[in-house]
Amino acid sequence: GDSVTQMEGPVTLSEEAFLTINCTYTATGYPSLFWYVQYPGEGLQLLLKATKADDKGSNKGFEATYRKETTSFHLEKGSVQVSDSAVYFCALRGGNTPLVFGKGTRLSVIA
Amino acid sequence: GAGVSQSPSNKVTEKGKDVELRCDPISGHTALYWYRQSLGQGLEFLIYFQGNSAPDKSGLPSDRFSAERTGGSVSTLTIQRTQQEDSAVYLCASSRLAGGNTDTQYFGPGTRLTVL
Repeated sequence: GDSVTQMEGPVTLSEEAFLTINCTYTATGYPSLFWYVQYPGEGLQLLLKATKADDKGSNKGFEATYRKETTSFHLEKGSVQVSDSAVYFCALRGGNTPLVFGKGTRLSVIA
Repeated sequence: GAGVSQSPSNKVTEKGKDVELRCDPISGHTALYWYRQSLGQGLEFLIYFQGNSAPDKSGLPSDRFSAERTGGSVSTLTIQRTQQEDSAVYLCASSRLAGGNTDTQYFGPGTRLTVL
């Protein structure tokens, strides 16, 4: 079945550092890919998404590019802030199916 | 407009008791999903309602779990004879469209269930 693998955390960075959280997937067909974020004490929020190969999703300075050839959707941000501290989930959806999530990566940004 | 709401926000129960968790989706959303978030397991799909079609129950972990959606809106997830391994955060999500993989799911804040 479909699956998502993302790098295990926790990831600890200093403010203004570059962030990469790796995500790879296995799916039949052409899934849509998503990054969700869960801030402390809050629910899951959609951060960005890409629906076809070579699409780039972006939001709040975060970017991820749908790479079909490497089945990847790595999350990047050029300069993280303390307010970016959260748990990040990579997910896919193939067809008319529920989301399949990775296990999440906890990011802590220190001033 | 209002987002997805869930109640209660926290529930502590004793092993063997039944619990009901409620989800109010965003008005007009035809699809509703239940997920479970637990340590070590990440986010797991439980059940999916799509309009008036029969629900997809393929993610329910045992026959102690059931869910219904009344009038195409509010949903209730019921866990009978709770076990300690049922302790988790139960998340509900809804989306506008009944099909298609580009549709965005909006999540509620979750219900944290603790089984003693």
